[in-house]
Amino acid sequence: GENVEQHPSTLSVQEGDSAVIKCTYSDSASNYFPWYKQELGKGPQLIIDIRSNVGEKKDQRIAVTLNKTAKHFSLHITETQPEDSAVYFCAASIRSGNTPLVFGKGTRLSVIA
Amino acid sequence: DTGVSQNPRHKITKRGQNVTFRCDPISEHNRLYWYRQTLGQGPEFLTYFQNEAQLEKSRLLSDRFSAERPKGSFSTLEIQRTEQGDSAMYLCASSLGAGGNTIYFGEGSWLTVV
Repeated sequence: GENVEQHPSTLSVQEGDSAVIKCTYSDSASNYFPWYKQELGKGPQLIIDIRSNVGEKKDQRIAVTLNKTAKHFSLHITETQPEDSAVYFCAASIRSGNTPLVFGKGTRLSVIA
Repeated sequence: DTGVSQNPRHKITKRGQNVTFRCDPISEHNRLYWYRQTLGQGPEFLTYFQNEAQLEKSRLLSDRFSAERPKGSFSTLEIQRTEQGDSAMYLCASSLGAGGNTIYFGEGSWLTVV
């Protein structure tokens, strides 16, 4: 089955700097890659996703890149703000299939003001 | 608020007791998922339904766990004879259609087994 590795497990950045979180996946059939943000005591919230027919997607300060050959994808947050502090999870699954999302172990991002 | 509602939000129970969690998905969503999350880990898949049919169960879902979605709307997750290792957050999520469509999570139900 699919296995998703995520790193780093913790990341501290100064406010205004960029943050990058990287994930690798094992199943070459996976073609849907969402990123979730989880704040303390809350459920995961989708922030951006990418499908394998594109290599990059942007939404304001957030971008995700995908390299299907290398089987890795990354989350980029620019101009970080204290409210970006949270745990971020990457995930992978096969779109239009019956496989559930498989999550990485998460990255705790701290933005220092 | 994603529209996925879970109750209760917190439950403390003694080892050996049974507990039940309820999930109300977004109304038009036909897929409903249960995940379990422990501290410092990502959500782990337990089971999912398409309408009222339970289509897949993880090997994490022992015989003490049972999930139902009787009318294809809300779902319940019951844990019988709870053990301390069952302490976790149980997350419910829903989506419209098959994988690759956005999956929305609820706020989770925290279980502490003492």
